[in-house]
Amino acid sequence: GESVGLHLPTLSVQEGDNSIINCAYSNSASDYFIWYKQESGKGPQFIIDIRSNMDKRQGQRVTVLLNKTVKHLSLQIAATQPGDSAVYFCAEGGGADGLTFGKGTHLIIQP
Amino acid sequence: DAGVIQSPRHEVTEMGQEVTLRCKPISGHNSLFWYRQTMMRGLELLIYFNNNVPIDDSGMPEDRFSAKMPNASFSTLKIQPSEPRDSAVYFCASRKGHNQPQHFGDGTRLSIL
Repeated sequence: GESVGLHLPTLSVQEGDNSIINCAYSNSASDYFIWYKQESGKGPQFIIDIRSNMDKRQGQRVTVLLNKTVKHLSLQIAATQPGDSAVYFCAEGGGADGLTFGKGTHLIIQP
Repeated sequence: DAGVIQSPRHEVTEMGQEVTLRCKPISGHNSLFWYRQTMMRGLELLIYFNNNVPIDDSGMPEDRFSAKMPNASFSTLKIQPSEPRDSAVYFCASRKGHNQPQHFGDGTRLSIL
């Protein structure tokens, strides 16, 4: 899950296993949610987004789940690969505003 | 397709100097965002533009920071005078429209000595 402060939470999974990264968001009025992947030395890369009128959306090997009741967002990555190693950020937004990012989770894929 | 292009990729300068960061958004995108990323504070929105007009600059740290978007294909973020605490990675992102994903450049790593 997300954390506040210097230390990024770390999730370590075996290659081929499924990963679940969790995120708690703060603004109940947010109507748009998005997951980004950031590799070292690069900018955040869009993975998948979901609007508040949905509770699940699937992409290629990824699924985002949204629980508005408890303000919780998760990213599921199926059959993780070494290239999935990165920091993953959730972000919330709404209207014309910019995004508010969580602090990130470091995903490590073990061979 | 070209993504968001930022320059320079790295900048090292002495405190007190003026720093100018540049961004070319994706063609056809009408919103542009400037973010700052540090270990302490994560990714923070500094300012954003819709159709070249600044909409919200409440994230700009202080008057030493300024941003302009003279046309739809170019924006600058200027720090004058720079201070060591401005050291961070600065990202530019652009978006096509409301509730569309923002696409980020690879950032400018700024070090103020």
